[in-house]
Amino acid sequence: KQEVTQIPAALSVPEGENLVLNCSFTDSAIYNLQWFRQDPGKGLTSLLLIQSSQREQTSGRLNASLDKSSGRSTLYIAASQPGDSATYLCAVPDTGNQFYFGTGTSLTVIP
Amino acid sequence: DVKVTQSSRYLVKRTGEKVFLECVQDMDHENMFWYRQDPGLGLRLIYFSYDVKMKEKGDIPEGYSVSREKKERFSLILESASTNQTSMYLCASSLNERKFNQPQHFGDGTRLSIL
Repeated sequence: KQEVTQIPAALSVPEGENLVLNCSFTDSAIYNLQWFRQDPGKGLTSLLLIQSSQREQTSGRLNASLDKSSGRSTLYIAASQPGDSATYLCAVPDTGNQFYFGTGTSLTVIP
Repeated sequence: DVKVTQSSRYLVKRTGEKVFLECVQDMDHENMFWYRQDPGLGLRLIYFSYDVKMKEKGDIPEGYSVSREKKERFSLILESASTNQTSMYLCASSLNERKFNQPQHFGDGTRLSIL
């Protein structure tokens, strides 16, 4: 069974800093990896999806990388802003049609 | 933009009641999913459906059933609600039949309390 881990569980940074969130998974047989953002009491918003054949995806100030062989993905956020404060989750579907989520990293950007 | 709508944001029910959670998507997506989210446990897949009248069990289907009579609507049913089913329930949808190469789009969630 796939296990998805996100470290750290919480992160606090001053506004303007660049930061990296980590996601690791145990089974490299994945279709893709998706990063989400969740605001308190809300659903998940899709940020980026990286297919298993890709190494990187970029959207604005966000850049996600994927290293299947080592079972890792990172989400890089450039020039962080207070509006980036949220919980960030990663998710992978396995070949058995199951989805597995990490427990997320709670990010606080301090003005 | 994809819109996934869950019928209730907050719901309070009593132990033993039959509870229906409704989810509608407006983008003609084949795949629909029901998750529950609990502190420290993250999101766990309850059931998903890749076509009308089709369903497959996720990680934690016990105590739940689902119904998909129309492509746009996916219902989660708690046959006899229990207090351990108090949770945040999230519905999602995605394009593609039986393949999960498209992003999932989520509703805002239903916070269900069973008293």
